Amino acid sequence: LAKTTQPISMDSYEGQEVNITCSHNNIATNDYITWYQQFPSQGPRFIIQGYKTKVTNEVASLFIPADRKSSTLSLPRVSLSDTAVYYCLVGTLMNYGGSQGNLIFGKGTKLSVKP
Amino acid sequence: DTEVTQTPKHLVMGMTNKKSLKCEQHMGHRAMYWYKQKAKKPPELMFVYSYEKLSINESVPSRFSPECPNSSLLNLHLHALQPEDSALYLCASSPVGNNYEQYFGPGTRLTVT
Repeated sequence: LAKTTQPISMDSYEGQEVNITCSHNNIATNDYITWYQQFPSQGPRFIIQGYKTKVTNEVASLFIPADRKSSTLSLPRVSLSDTAVYYCLVGTLMNYGGSQGNLIFGKGTKLSVKP
Repeated sequence: DTEVTQTPKHLVMGMTNKKSLKCEQHMGHRAMYWYKQKAKKPPELMFVYSYEKLSINESVPSRFSPECPNSSLLNLHLHALQPEDSALYLCASSPVGNNYEQYFGPGTRLTVT
């Protein structure tokens, strides 16, 4: 199982681009990278998922280098409402919930956006 | 509809009580999950149901008993809990083919006294 490492916290200001990096040195060939956002006392929210190169949606971009040993979540022009914990998960996509020991949330990165 | 609902929002129970948490989704997802989250910690997977059958139990004590009555509903029955079981309990569901694309409910804040 690929283990992930993220910075514990990051600070930013409104309007800036924020890049959060996740390290996953032992990622397996079939593993995907998934990012979640969680506000206090709420359930996590799926943000983006990718396998290689670049994925973009209306919320964020995900950059994955060729060796796939790390990935970067990019949030363009953050606002105060982007203050949250961001989790990076790595694993093989499965149909029926997965297998024992899968779906591990790491410690996450607490992003604080200041005015 | 991408909403997962959970009831109740808050629950306070004594160590001798029996209570149930409920979760519902109408996205046609066939995998549903229970997580436990302590303050300032990441969510921890407890149970996974696939096609209404329990497929994963992450060594959860028997005082937590999950149930999946149909493809839209997931329950977590609680009995003889300990104060250390106080936490936010999160339900999630995922579409066929992608267990990492999960949709979470708002959670039930449980306090055991």
